[in-house]
Amino acid sequence: QVHLVQSGAEVKKPGASVKVSCKSSGYMFTSHYMHWVRQAPGQGLEWMGVINPSGARTIYAQKFQGRVTMTRDTSTSTDYMELNSLRSEDTAIYYCARDLSATVTWWLDPWGQGTLVTVSS
Amino acid sequence: SSELTQDPAVSVALGQTVRITCQGDSLRTYYASWYQQKPGQAPVLVIYGKNNRPSGLPDRFSGSSSGNTASLTITGAQAEDEADYYCYSRHSSGNLWVFGGGTKLTVL
Repeated sequence: QVHLVQSGAEVKKPGASVKVSCKSSGYMFTSHYMHWVRQAPGQGLEWMGVINPSGARTIYAQKFQGRVTMTRDTSTSTDYMELNSLRSEDTAIYYCARDLSATVTWWLDPWGQGTLVTVSS
Repeated sequence: SSELTQDPAVSVALGQTVRITCQGDSLRTYYASWYQQKPGQAPVLVIYGKNNRPSGLPDRFSGSSSGNTASLTITGAQAEDEADYYCYSRHSSGNLWVFGGGTKLTVL
């Protein structure tokens, strides 16, 4: 069974950085892209970016470019998402989600359980 | 604002049929996938591709697409279907992906 298990909740001060991890099991890690999605309190889902199977290529949403870094450790089947220069608006639940695709269609399954990041002074 | 547009809220009587729509230019080229999210839980895939359901998902959920609009239909809505629903697809401008703003479904 495929599982994505994320790291625990974090509380950070404005200006700090946070690094969230997502450990995969139950499938061939190096055969799938991984996406990161966040959800601010009471808000919708927001796509942040994606990392390719080898970890050599990333694509970030323009909103996060310059502040986010997605990496992966293929030896431990773990993805990481680091967000810098945190501000209060970054308070959100951060999810990892495995990419699957076919001709002209993409979907995310499964999702990690989410990691709450709270930014507060 | 999102490139994919959803109605913020929809309601349906118990046992009736409801359609949740998602509009966007990219849907003329790409299929959407759909996610159900209940309070305090991570999103769960419900429909992908032309009209595919993950194993174990009730067959009252179905998907369709026409022009720039993708639709999620629940035939015979149940109380447990009350949730937020999001569409997701590739952005029309290239290697980016985007979610719709979400639709809150209330089952009356």
